[in-house]
Amino acid sequence: EADIYQTPRYLVIGTGKKITLECSQTMGHDKMYWYQQDPGMELHLIHYSYGVNSTEKGDLSSESTVSRIRTEHFPLTLESARPSHTSQYLCASSEKTGTGSNEQFFGPGTRLTVL
Amino acid sequence: KNQVEQSPQSLIILEGKNCTLQCNYTVSPFSNLRWYKQDTGRGPVSLTIMTFSENTKSNGRYTATLDADTKQSSLHITASQLSDSASYICVVSDRGSTLGRLYFGRGTQLTVWP
Repeated sequence: EADIYQTPRYLVIGTGKKITLECSQTMGHDKMYWYQQDPGMELHLIHYSYGVNSTEKGDLSSESTVSRIRTEHFPLTLESARPSHTSQYLCASSEKTGTGSNEQFFGPGTRLTVL
Repeated sequence: KNQVEQSPQSLIILEGKNCTLQCNYTVSPFSNLRWYKQDTGRGPVSLTIMTFSENTKSNGRYTATLDADTKQSSLHITASQLSDSASYICVVSDRGSTLGRLYFGRGTQLTVWP
């Protein structure tokens, strides 16, 4: 079982609220990622980080922002939530192994519903 | 365009039966291919990984195959159990970037009935 944690697991909020989804890993991985996943659809990369003070936007445009002040922590923030932000958000981390497999370990996800 | 296509989209089988899930990809340059299992409401968990030179990899009742020439992979589940009910996602990694970008299929939703 991977040591990567996400809180909250479920969140229901009203439109316009500011929210932060937490992600922490205890594996000392440099790379961390945020994905968005809708039911029956593939995961879409929305943010990633190579390490502390590094953040990049992913393939899918997102109104969220991220920060990476500590290696183990990669929170995602929505300044003003809208119903279109309703989705499952998955955090992952990876460290390149000797074989170059670059396995990503996923957290349990946060199911966000914006009313 | 790098893509990963999976079939079938969903599958229902009886407990104890075998099944095979398919994955076709166009990702290039290819690095490796993983099959992940994702239980409802959980994050994906890696089952197998295969590189270009490997064509079969087993993990218990799960056996994955890879044909790098035709860019196809399959995941065979033997003697299915109720706990196998989940989404199985094919994920292909490229080696064209330092990020090791992953390309995800939409998954096959497997339901095992008693």
